[in-house]
Amino acid sequence: EAGVTQSPTHLIKTRGQQATLRCSPISGHTSVYWYQQALGLGLQFLLWYDEGEERNRGNFPPRFSGRQFPNYSSELNVNALELEDSALYLCASSRRQGEAYNEQFFGPGTRLTVL
Amino acid sequence: DQQVKQNSPSLSVQEGRISILNCDYTNSMFDYFLWYKKYPAEGPTFLISISSIKDKNEDGRFTVFLNKSAKHLSLHIVPSQPGDSAVYFCAASVFGEKLTFGTGTRLTIIP
Repeated sequence: EAGVTQSPTHLIKTRGQQATLRCSPISGHTSVYWYQQALGLGLQFLLWYDEGEERNRGNFPPRFSGRQFPNYSSELNVNALELEDSALYLCASSRRQGEAYNEQFFGPGTRLTVL
Repeated sequence: DQQVKQNSPSLSVQEGRISILNCDYTNSMFDYFLWYKKYPAEGPTFLISISSIKDKNEDGRFTVFLNKSAKHLSLHIVPSQPGDSAVYFCAASVFGEKLTFGTGTRLTIIP
């Protein structure tokens, strides 16, 4: 069974640009979560999508947005990039919402560097 | 407000001995707890989980204990192996929703 995949592996942008990160969940998983791990910080919850709908978002500005497609893959967009957006962005997937006790399985991450 | 805390940033254990990693939480609504292992620049790898209706769950060398009254959980690794050296994160959720992570404990297994 293929795991969660993310692309690109690395992304280098300059301040003010936009970044788009992509995630494909494990087959059969409908929930996709995005987390940010900035240098020296822990993993912070960004966004949660299930069945194409945004279910929850963390304490991040509206510059961070995303969507989930009918095939359950997801895209994270970061607009007006700032230097502090440099981080490892992790995508995770789990089985459908409403099933308690769902493990989340993570992809390898996208390293975003803002210059 | 750090709802999930791992108070030991690092831990060194001799190969073959028991590794015990600890985690405390403050939110009594958490009903599901997980442990992940992480290498630098990689995604976390799921290790083991426990629901709030249990107090112990085992999977091979890994055992997680949950003490709800103390809002404390621990991960035991027996016996510890060099490949266990990594950063370990505990995480908690309410009804399978977003995960709230601890700050991590770096485990080093000494050969």
